[in-house]
Amino acid sequence: AQSVTQLGSHVSVSEGALVLLRCNYSSSVPPYLFWYVQYPNQGLQLLLKYTSAATLVKGINGFEAEFKKSETSFHLTKPSAHMSDAAEYFCAVSEGAAGNKLTFGGGTRVLVKP
Amino acid sequence: DTGVSQDPRHKITKRGQNVTFRCDPISEHNRLYWYRQTLGQGPEFLTYFQNEAQLEKSRLLSDRFSAERPKGSFSTLEIQRTEQGDSAMYLCASSFGQGESGYTFGSGTRLTVV
Repeated sequence: AQSVTQLGSHVSVSEGALVLLRCNYSSSVPPYLFWYVQYPNQGLQLLLKYTSAATLVKGINGFEAEFKKSETSFHLTKPSAHMSDAAEYFCAVSEGAAGNKLTFGGGTRVLVKP
Repeated sequence: DTGVSQDPRHKITKRGQNVTFRCDPISEHNRLYWYRQTLGQGPEFLTYFQNEAQLEKSRLLSDRFSAERPKGSFSTLEIQRTEQGDSAMYLCASSFGQGESGYTFGSGTRLTVV
């Protein structure tokens, strides 16, 4: 069975500082991994995905994530936080080529301080 | 491509009433998923369809819940005899193939049972 753990339910960063959101997964097969962002009362927007190509994945809004198989991690980073990055972020895993659904972590809420 | 549409956006109902939600996926997507998200939690998988066939149901989907996807196009999720514990955001997503291109989410239907 697949699962996702996001360390830290809340993260506070200053505007212009590094954003680092941690995600560890478990999967019995090569996974597909995703990061989604959710703004209040809205659905989920895909930030980036890993589907077994390059291990460093670049997404929208300046975010990127690195797949590390040895650490079963897929941490999300952004070099310089912007006020508009304040939102909730979800890491998710599917069973790769055999996948049929996403399993989500509990989410990390990001607060950006001016 | 108009994205995934969900209707209604909000629904307030009295306990014991039946409710039905609709999801219109991206037209070329063959897979459609329903998720439930409660406050402060990540989305939880409920069920998914490949074309018109319902291929998996979560144990979260009690007998009061039923989902359909006639003709492999739009889908409906019905909750009978609603309970206060059903209050949540119900998210629909669609994908093509096995999700390697990502899963596109709708804006969700927020259900409040009073």
